[in-house]
Amino acid sequence: KQEVTQIPAALSVPEGENLVLNCSFTDSAIYNLQWFRQDPGKGLTSLLLIQSSQREQTSGRLNASLDKSSGRSTLYIAASQPGDSATYLCAVRPRRGSTLGRLYFGRGTQLTVWP
Amino acid sequence: GAVVSQHPSWVICKSGTSVKIECRSLDFQATTMFWYRQFPKQSLMLMATSNEGSKATYEQGVEKDKFLINHASLTLSTLTVTSAHPEDSSFYICSASPQSFSSGNTIYFGEGSWLTVV
Repeated sequence: KQEVTQIPAALSVPEGENLVLNCSFTDSAIYNLQWFRQDPGKGLTSLLLIQSSQREQTSGRLNASLDKSSGRSTLYIAASQPGDSATYLCAVRPRRGSTLGRLYFGRGTQLTVWP
Repeated sequence: GAVVSQHPSWVICKSGTSVKIECRSLDFQATTMFWYRQFPKQSLMLMATSNEGSKATYEQGVEKDKFLINHASLTLSTLTVTSAHPEDSSFYICSASPQSFSSGNTIYFGEGSWLTVV
């Protein structure tokens, strides 16, 4: 069974810092890995999707890398801003299993960026 | 704009009553939709797979008689929490994809529904 772990569970930093959020998964047989943002009381916002054949994806100040063989992904946030404060979730989509299309989520990293 | 719409976003109901949550795919057909649940500070956990025209497939530990899923059309799946209790208070969210799940295409999520049972 796929298990997804995110470290750290919480992070509090001053504005302007560069951040790294970590995600690890136990089964490397995945279609892709996705990073989401979840604001309090809100749904999920997809940030970056990395296919299994890719090594990284970038969107603005966000960069996500994927090392499938070692079961790891990192989300890099450059020049953090208070508006980045949210919970960041990592999810993998497995290639095998009885339920294609389901995602396995980590517990998330709760990020607080203070001015 | 959203490609998967979920309604309601927030709902408060009395203990013992039932509440229905809808998940609609906009501009595409979805033969399969997924329902997840998230308790505070926990991961999103898959509850069940909703299959159009057939019975839903429930994950281990999820009571199928309590969480009724109906996928009557290719664009709509509903989750009904029957005889709700305070411990059912949670965040419920659905997902769907416009293409076959056998490929690595993007999966879209609804906005989620916050259920509070008092």
